[in-house]
Amino acid sequence: GESVGLHLPTLSVQEGDNSIINCAYSNSASDYFIWYKQESGKGPQFIIDIRSNMDKRQGQRVTVLLNKTVKHLSLQIAATQPGDSAVYFCAENIGGFKTIFGAGTRLFVKA
Amino acid sequence: EAGVTQFPSHSVIEKGQTVTLRCDPISGHDNLYWYRRVMGKEIKFLLHFVKESKQDESGMPNNRFLAERTGGTYSTLKVQPAELEDSGVYFCASSRDRTYEQYFGPGTRLTVT
Repeated sequence: GESVGLHLPTLSVQEGDNSIINCAYSNSASDYFIWYKQESGKGPQFIIDIRSNMDKRQGQRVTVLLNKTVKHLSLQIAATQPGDSAVYFCAENIGGFKTIFGAGTRLFVKA
Repeated sequence: EAGVTQFPSHSVIEKGQTVTLRCDPISGHDNLYWYRRVMGKEIKFLLHFVKESKQDESGMPNNRFLAERTGGTYSTLKVQPAELEDSGVYFCASSRDRTYEQYFGPGTRLTVT
């Protein structure tokens, strides 16, 4: 079946360091990928997205990389801050309809 | 612009009872989605409305779950009768059109005892 999975369930980084969260997806038909951040008691919050015709997209302090050859997605957070502590989900979407989420990675930022 | 709101924030019910969750999407958003996350698992798609019509309900687990969106505004998700495995967090999301960015509500935490 379709699935999006995460390599690491937890990630601990020092404040100021860069964070890299990885994700594997299985459906080669997926044409849109999203990273969400979820803080305690809140719903997933959109961070950044990328379409399948791109391999890199940058936002403010965040970069998403897409490798379609190996079906791999990553989220890079530069100069990680305590406020970045949350659970991060990668997700894939086919044709703009349902979104398939990965299991999530918890990011801990140590001061 | 107000975000997606969900009610209640928490619900504790006994097995066999009925619960109705409500979602108010962002005003003007025709697309409304329901998702849920059960303990330790990933967030799973349940269904997708376009206005009042069900576009895709392939994620609905069984016929104990009934979603409605009368008038194409708010939506309700009823679970009847509730089972223990229905416990989890139910999220609603909306988007303006079939573009991809979905805005999520804070979720309803459902506990079935």
